[in-house]
Order: sequence, then C-alpha cells, then structure tokens
Amino acid sequence: AQSVTQLGSHVSVSEGALVLLRCNYSSSVPPYLFWYVQYPNQGLQLLLKYTSAATLVKGINGFEAEFKKSETSFHLTKPSAHMSDAAEYFCAVSKGSQGNLIFGKGTKLSVKP
Amino acid sequence: GAVVSQHPSWVICKSGTSVKIECRSLDFQATTMFWYRQFPKQSLMLMATSNEGSKATYEQGVEKDKFLINHASLTLSTLTVTSAHPEDSSFYICSARDGRGANTGELFFGEGSRLTVL
Repeated sequence: AQSVTQLGSHVSVSEGALVLLRCNYSSSVPPYLFWYVQYPNQGLQLLLKYTSAATLVKGINGFEAEFKKSETSFHLTKPSAHMSDAAEYFCAVSKGSQGNLIFGKGTKLSVKP
Repeated sequence: GAVVSQHPSWVICKSGTSVKIECRSLDFQATTMFWYRQFPKQSLMLMATSNEGSKATYEQGVEKDKFLINHASLTLSTLTVTSAHPEDSSFYICSARDGRGANTGELFFGEGSRLTVL
C-alpha cells in the first residue's frame, strides 16, 4: 500500500531564505509522486510531479523536488522564499497513472518579512 | 492545463436538507473523478471514486446513502449530501483525471465547496 509522511506540520522561514519541505513515501511499486499547493478556501494546484523520468523535477514558481529512491524521499525546495509562497503544501503518491492520490497530512508554510 | 470547476463554492443549509455539489471538467473528458473531504487544518480524505456510467466506489467508512455520487457524463459528476447534519460541514473537493492522451497520474482539482450545515 502507498503512504506519504510529511515531516513538520508547520514550517516558518524568512523571506529570501531557503524553503525545504520534507516528504517520505512508502510504495510497493515504482511510485508517481506529486507536490500540490493549497491557498485558503481553494482547491489544489499542482506544483510538480515525478513519473519515473528525471529524478530532479522542476515545477512552477521556482520550486523543485528530487526523487531519492534510496531514501524514499521526495523533498520540495525553493532557493528563496517569497511572501506569496505562504500556503499549505501537500505531498501525494499514486500507484501508477490510474490510481487515486494518497495525500500526506500537509505542511503549512509561513514566510516572515 | 485542464480545468475543473466546482459549484457552489459556498453553501449554507439547514439541518435535514439535501445539498448538491457539481464538479465539471471544462476542457477535457473525465472518465474518472474523485471526491475528497477536508476537515479544518487537515489533509484530504478520499470519499469515493466516480466512474462515468457506473456506480461510484466508496472508501471504507463513507456512507453511500448519505453521500450520493452520480457521474452521468464525461464532464459532470455530482455529490449530493442527503439529510445534512452539522457534522457534515466540511470542505469538499473534487478532482478529475484527463482520460485522453498521455496519462501521468496527475489529478486536476476543483476550487472546492465549503458546506456549512446549521
């Protein structure tokens, strides 16, 4: 069965600082991995996805994530945080391209001026 | 990218009434749609998988008679919360998978519908 663990329910960084949101997954088959962002009272927007191609995935808004099979991790990073990055971030895994997504519990990112 | 639209965004109803939430794929055909429920400050919980032209598949613990799902066309799925009670108050989000072309597993999400039952 697939599962996702997001370490840290709340991460706070200063504007301009590095953003690192952690995600570890468990999957019995090669996983498809996703990072979504959610702003208050809105749906989810895809940031980036890993589907067994390049292990370093670049997404929108300057975010990227690296798939590390040996560590079963898919951490999300951004070199320099912007105030507009403050939101809830969800890591998700699916079994191939047809399965539903299993979400982590989410990490709320706060950005201090 | 593909667009999924939900309606209504906000709904307030009295206890005992039924509420219908619509989920539409605007620019693609969605053979499969998923309905999620999100409690405050929590993650998304999959409620059911809706397949066009067939019965929905409900997750364990989700009452199928309480949450009626209909996926009558390739662009529309509806969730009806029947005889709503205050504990049904939540944020409901639908998502859809593009049934055409290359499938990378990505889900496209609606804007969500916040239900408040008085």
